[in-house]
Amino acid sequence: DGGITQSPKYLFRKEGQNVTLSCEQNLNHDAMYWYRQDPGQGLRLIYYSQIVNDFQKGDIAEGYSVSREKKESFPLTVTSAQKNPTAFYLCASSRDSPDGYTFGSGTRLTVV
Amino acid sequence: AQSVSQHNHHVILSEAASLELGCNYSYGGTVNLFWYVQYPGQHLQLLLKYFSGDPLVKGIKGFEAEFIKSKFSFNLRKPSVQWSDTAEYFCAVNRYGTGTASKLTFGTGTRLQVTL
Repeated sequence: DGGITQSPKYLFRKEGQNVTLSCEQNLNHDAMYWYRQDPGQGLRLIYYSQIVNDFQKGDIAEGYSVSREKKESFPLTVTSAQKNPTAFYLCASSRDSPDGYTFGSGTRLTVV
Repeated sequence: AQSVSQHNHHVILSEAASLELGCNYSYGGTVNLFWYVQYPGQHLQLLLKYFSGDPLVKGIKGFEAEFIKSKFSFNLRKPSVQWSDTAEYFCAVNRYGTGTASKLTFGTGTRLQVTL
């Protein structure tokens, strides 16, 4: 079945460490996205990518970095510069058209 | 900047009650509108969407939404909720035909709790 795989499901890291969240899709979608979900704040866009080797900042990109070396993969790195990294992170993908997204199951990151 | 407002943050209903969740957006151009649902412990799933045509759209599980352009609204409705509808509901808006990646702007979500 086609879909989006995010791993791991739960991630714990010490404060000051960088951590990379994985997102892989086999839907042959061109565009991929990273959102952060916090209680009462909905989903906020971190980064998005239309095509391989290209990506743009979303609304809350500070403290995050991404890469898009392959169409199928869009990993997100949460750096030590992110002041409040504990959150639920969602990856999504879409065709290159104003259509809906397909979401992954998310990664819950806890920084202690 | 484009924004999406969901004024009901937490709604509690008894089974069989009718549901209406509000969604308003600020963008004045042509938009695509979506409602997503997130059941406890599950993926976000598309409930329904509006692109054009009949402003009353029907989605899965008996949900429907009405696009009222003059009110910039896309409210979600269901005549009779079930306990299994307990979930968080997100309204989302996308600008149509921007020529760039489809970027959805989400509302803050409404948590629906259905009691038996």
